[in-house]
Amino acid sequence: QVQLVESGGGVVQPGRSLRLSCAASGFTFSNYAMHWVRQAPGRGLEWLALMSYDGNKKYYRDSVKGRFTISRDNSKNTLYLQMNSLRVEDTAVYYCARDSGLRGLDQWGQGALVTVSS
Amino acid sequence: DIQMTQSPSSLSASVGDRVTISCRASQSISSYLSWYQQIPGKAPKLLIYAASSLQSGVPSRFSGAESGTDFTLTISSLEPEDFATYYCQQSSTTPYTFGQGTKLEIK
Repeated sequence: QVQLVESGGGVVQPGRSLRLSCAASGFTFSNYAMHWVRQAPGRGLEWLALMSYDGNKKYYRDSVKGRFTISRDNSKNTLYLQMNSLRVEDTAVYYCARDSGLRGLDQWGQGALVTVSS
Repeated sequence: DIQMTQSPSSLSASVGDRVTISCRASQSISSYLSWYQQIPGKAPKLLIYAASSLQSGVPSRFSGAESGTDFTLTISSLEPEDFATYYCQQSSTTPYTFGQGTKLEIK
């Protein structure tokens, strides 16, 4: 079955870096665009970034552009989110999600909690 | 950025009720609108894509409709497992913005 498993979350000080991974299985990862979405505690969903199936196109929301980098390794069936210069307001659960091709996000990971605190 | 405005922000209803949640886009998004259900502590689940297409495995009591930049999610007869938070999302233009959510609670 389709599975997305995030890892790499944790507690980090402001200004530091963290890299999240999203391991995909149960489908042909290289055929799908992938997204990162986050949810701050008690808040709604916030779309962060999108990477095309082949890694050639990347899109970001303005608040993370220049600080976060989405990437993928199709040989390892893994999506990444490199987060630099982290801020307290980046504290959230981070989800990776598959783009169904019909532009809905049809599969989601369980989420990885990132806490930015001194 | 395209703004997605959901209403109401919260809603109380009973099992068996018919409920409708609305989502308005700040500009044309064609039919690039999805609806998600999120239960506390869980990842979101895709219910509707392309404004009115039912995702595989989702019960037929869920339906979506569109009229210009106005979109609706309707649950025809609420079941106990439907009490959750619902989000719309546009995927016409990046950033793919979400609505602020509608929390559906048991009356």
